[in-house]
Amino acid sequence: QVQLVESGGGVVQPGGSLRLSCAASGFTFSSYGMHWVRQAPGKGLEWVAFIRYDGSNKYYADSVKGRFTISRDNSKNTLYLQMNSLRAEDTAVYYCAKGGLMDVEEAFDIWGQGTMVTVSS
Amino acid sequence: EIVLTQSPGTLSLSPGERATLSCRASQSVSSSYLAWYQQKPGQAPRLLIYGASSRATGIPDRFSGSGSGTDFTLTISRLEPEDFAVYYCQQYGSSPGFTFGPGTKVDIK
Repeated sequence: QVQLVESGGGVVQPGGSLRLSCAASGFTFSSYGMHWVRQAPGKGLEWVAFIRYDGSNKYYADSVKGRFTISRDNSKNTLYLQMNSLRAEDTAVYYCAKGGLMDVEEAFDIWGQGTMVTVSS
Repeated sequence: EIVLTQSPGTLSLSPGERATLSCRASQSVSSSYLAWYQQKPGQAPRLLIYGASSRATGIPDRFSGSGSGTDFTLTISRLEPEDFAVYYCQQYGSSPGFTFGPGTKVDIK
């Protein structure tokens, strides 16, 4: 079945780095845009980053621009989020979500279960 | 960037009652690229409605969406016990922004 599974979360000190992964299965990963969305404890959803199906375009929320990098390996059906210069306010559950087919704007119909990132000394 | 406002913040209702949730955008949402998600504690969000009024796969017909431009509504015709959750609207038609609203919590009265 269609599935997204995140991994790589954990506890990291302020200023540190972490790389999240999202393994996709059950659909043609290389044909879909992909997103990262996060949710701080007790808070709402915040869109973080998007990558085009072929990796040629990437967009970021202002809150993470210059610190986070989204990437993908279509040969491995895997999405990544490299997070550098982490701050306490980056503490959140991070979800990957499936976007639209090719360049079509679509709602996020498939979500992973999320991985927790805690930034604390 | 399009900012979404949801009201009310909390809606207290009883099972069987009708729920009406509002989502207002700071500027027109192109081609009704407006979605609604449901999230229960400890779970990932689930897509309910896309394109302002189309139900996602497997979503019961007691959920309906309407609206265009800057004003959108999610209606749950008769609340079932499993419907008590937080609901988020999202616009996805103005790349690179894919903003979410702050959410409406529907809890049991």
